[in-house]
Amino acid sequence: AQSVTQLGSHVSVSEGALVLLRCNYSSSVPPYLFWYVQYPNQGLQLLLKYTTGATLVKGINGFEAEFKKSETSFHLTKPSAHMSDAAEYFCAVSSDTGGFKTIFGAGTRLFVKA
Amino acid sequence: DAGVIQSPRHEVTEMGQEVTLRCKPISGHDYLFWYRQTMMRGLELLIYFNNNVPIDDSGMPEDRFSAKMPNASFSTLKIQPSEPRDSAVYFCASSLSPSNQPQHFGDGTRLSIL
Repeated sequence: AQSVTQLGSHVSVSEGALVLLRCNYSSSVPPYLFWYVQYPNQGLQLLLKYTTGATLVKGINGFEAEFKKSETSFHLTKPSAHMSDAAEYFCAVSSDTGGFKTIFGAGTRLFVKA
Repeated sequence: DAGVIQSPRHEVTEMGQEVTLRCKPISGHDYLFWYRQTMMRGLELLIYFNNNVPIDDSGMPEDRFSAKMPNASFSTLKIQPSEPRDSAVYFCASSLSPSNQPQHFGDGTRLSIL
């Protein structure tokens, strides 16, 4: 069975500071990994994904994530936070086995202080 | 391109009434997913379809919930009779693949059962 753990339900950073949102996954087969962002009163939007190939993945809005198999992690980073980054972020894992379900983490709400 | 379209955006109704939520997926997407999002339980997969056929409905909470996909461009999620604990935001999402492609979410239906 697959699972996702997002460390920290709330993260607060100052504008211009580094954003680091942590995600660890569990999967017995090669995983596909995703980060989504949800703004108030909207659905989830894809930020970036890892399927195969390069382990450092760049996404929209200056975000990137690195797949580290040895650490079973897929942490999301952004060098400099902007006020518009305030939202909820979800890490998700899926694979080509196990019923093809995508498992979403519980989410991390990012607050950006002026 | 039009994204996933859900209607209504908000629904307020009294306990015991029938509720029907509607979804139009992105054209060409073979997979359609229904999710429920609450503060307590996060994002839960209720059911998903492949080529209009229900594949996994293990997340449907009870017999009061039913979902149909009569054609490739339309799906409904019905609750009958509705109960206050069904209050949540319901999302529809569609995808080209159940695993290695991202899901595209609608903006959700915020359902309140009084």
